Amino acid sequence: GIQVEQSPPDLILQEGANSTLRCNFSDSVNNLQWFHQNPWGQLINLFYIPSGTKQNGRLSATTVATERYSLLYISSSQTTDSGVYFCAVDVGAGSYQLTFGKGTKLSVIP
Amino acid sequence: DVKVTQSSRYLVKRTGEKVFLECVQDMDHENMFWYRQDPGLGLRLIYFSYDVKMKEKGDIPEGYSVSREKKERFSLILESASTNQTSMYLCASSFSDSSYETQYFGPGTRLLVL
Repeated sequence: GIQVEQSPPDLILQEGANSTLRCNFSDSVNNLQWFHQNPWGQLINLFYIPSGTKQNGRLSATTVATERYSLLYISSSQTTDSGVYFCAVDVGAGSYQLTFGKGTKLSVIP
Repeated sequence: DVKVTQSSRYLVKRTGEKVFLECVQDMDHENMFWYRQDPGLGLRLIYFSYDVKMKEKGDIPEGYSVSREKKERFSLILESASTNQTSMYLCASSFSDSSYETQYFGPGTRLLVL
């Protein structure tokens, strides 16, 4: 099956710093999503982005489908950004199954 | 707002017990999913369902079964709980009529099997 690799596995930032999280995938995908899991375990969808660039406030994401990677940018980080960021893909063909990467654990310190 | 609820946030069971984890969604979603999350492994799909009474195995179905008698409810069953099933269990749901749908997650159930 498709492989999804995220880097870095752990990241510690000072509040106000910027960061880039990366997701590499091993095959063509129909759907790519970024999720944030807060420290209490709740997963929230951030972006649906199989290709191109999207922005939502301090967060933006870019997927280069031809090169099989996606980037999540966090600018002016805040302590509430802490948690685990997951990239998830599906290969389409009506499956709707998502394959998740292992995540990047982000800690933003005051 | 989409709401996915899970019956328990924390659960402690003994080895060999039968365990039921319940998930309910209020958005009339066709698809429902059960994942387990373990440190360093991300989320792994156990079972999913596209419709009532329909189920499909995910990547790690061994030791689990599921039931979907009503559209809004998807149950995960551990027939005989074992210590290696100690984990965080997450339920999710989504629409099926578009590949643009996202999955909406419940708050998770942390299961400890002693």
